[in-house]
Amino acid sequence: GDQVEQSPSALSLHEGTGSALRCNFTTTMRAVQWFQQNSRGSLINLFYLASGTKENGRLKSTFNSKESYSTLHIRDAQLEDSGTYFCAADYGNEKITFGAGTKLTIKP
Amino acid sequence: NSKVIQTPRYLVKGQGQKAKMRCIPEKGHPVVFWYQQNKNNEFKFLINFQNQEVLQQIDMTEKRFSAECPSNSPCSLEIQSSEAGDSALYLCASSLTGMDTEVFFGKGTRLTVV
Repeated sequence: GDQVEQSPSALSLHEGTGSALRCNFTTTMRAVQWFQQNSRGSLINLFYLASGTKENGRLKSTFNSKESYSTLHIRDAQLEDSGTYFCAADYGNEKITFGAGTKLTIKP
Repeated sequence: NSKVIQTPRYLVKGQGQKAKMRCIPEKGHPVVFWYQQNKNNEFKFLINFQNQEVLQQIDMTEKRFSAECPSNSPCSLEIQSSEAGDSALYLCASSLTGMDTEVFFGKGTRLTVV
């Protein structure tokens, strides 16, 4: 079935540094969403992309529909960025399919 | 961010007991989803609705789980006879349509079956 491969599964960054998370999709999909899940379990919407690139503060996300992948870039990481990040694919089947998540730890 | 309201936030039930949780979707969103997130952070789609009608659901939902979205009342997900393996975070979400639009989640109901 439709799957989402998310990497890395865990990432540790020092404050002020940056990195990228990636999701690969198994087939053509219509859109991708990125979420941050905090320690209490709340899912915070970061980005919704049907194509192209969006930027919001220190976060930037790109969706390459032709090559079926999406990335989330974090720059100048802050302590409050810690959490688990999920991408989710809209395969056009009336639900979204989640990746396995990236647990991000920011160290002082 | 999200205006999806889920109650209760925490629920503790004994094995064999019923467990019921509720969800009020964001105003104007006719599509409602229920997901289960287990302790390994894996998401499982359970069921979705457009207004009061079920769009699709998985097998396990058909057997021990029941869900509804009556008009002018909160949506609900009920486990008829809770099992230890049902312990999880249950997340409700809503959107304008079933696809091609952003999905917004509530804060979840954390169910513990003891």
